[in-house]
Amino acid sequence: AQSVTQLGSHVSVSEGALVLLRCNYSSSVPPYLFWYVQYPNQGLQLLLKYTTGATLVKGINGFEAEFKKSETSFHLTKPSAHMSDAAEYFCAVRLNRDDKIIFGKGTRLHILP
Amino acid sequence: DTGVSQDPRHKITKRGQNVTFRCDPISEHNRLYWYRQTLGQGPEFLTYFQNEAQLEKSRLLSDRFSAERPKGSFSTLEIQRTEQGDSAMYLCASSTGEQFFGPGTRLTVL
Repeated sequence: AQSVTQLGSHVSVSEGALVLLRCNYSSSVPPYLFWYVQYPNQGLQLLLKYTTGATLVKGINGFEAEFKKSETSFHLTKPSAHMSDAAEYFCAVRLNRDDKIIFGKGTRLHILP
Repeated sequence: DTGVSQDPRHKITKRGQNVTFRCDPISEHNRLYWYRQTLGQGPEFLTYFQNEAQLEKSRLLSDRFSAERPKGSFSTLEIQRTEQGDSAMYLCASSTGEQFFGPGTRLTVL
């Protein structure tokens, strides 16, 4: 069965500092991996995804994530945090192209001035 | 706007009442998914359709819940005899590969 574990339900970083949100997954087959962002009272927006190929994936708003099969990880990073990055971030896994998405419990990112 | 739309955006109801939500997918998206998100949790899969066929239902979808997608276009999710535990955000997504999410319907059961 697939599952996703996000380490830290809340993460605080200073504006301009590195953002690192951790995600580990469990899957019996090579997974499709995603990061979504959710702003208050809004739906989910896709930040980036890994399907096949290059393991370093770049997304919107300066975010990127690296798929590490040996560590079963897909951590999200951004070199310099901005106040507008404050939101809830969800790591997710999918078995194949048409399957349902399994989400982690989310990490709320707080940006300190 | 050509994204996924959901109606209503907010619904407040009393325990025991029936509610129905609607999802309009992106045109020509043959797959449609429903998820439920409770406070402090990630979205959880409820059910999905390929065209008008309901292909999978989660154990979360009790017999009080029913979903339809007539003619393979819009979809409705009905909850009968609502309970306080049904309070959540109900998200719809449509797909031909990548899932695009709607803004959700927030249900509050008093």
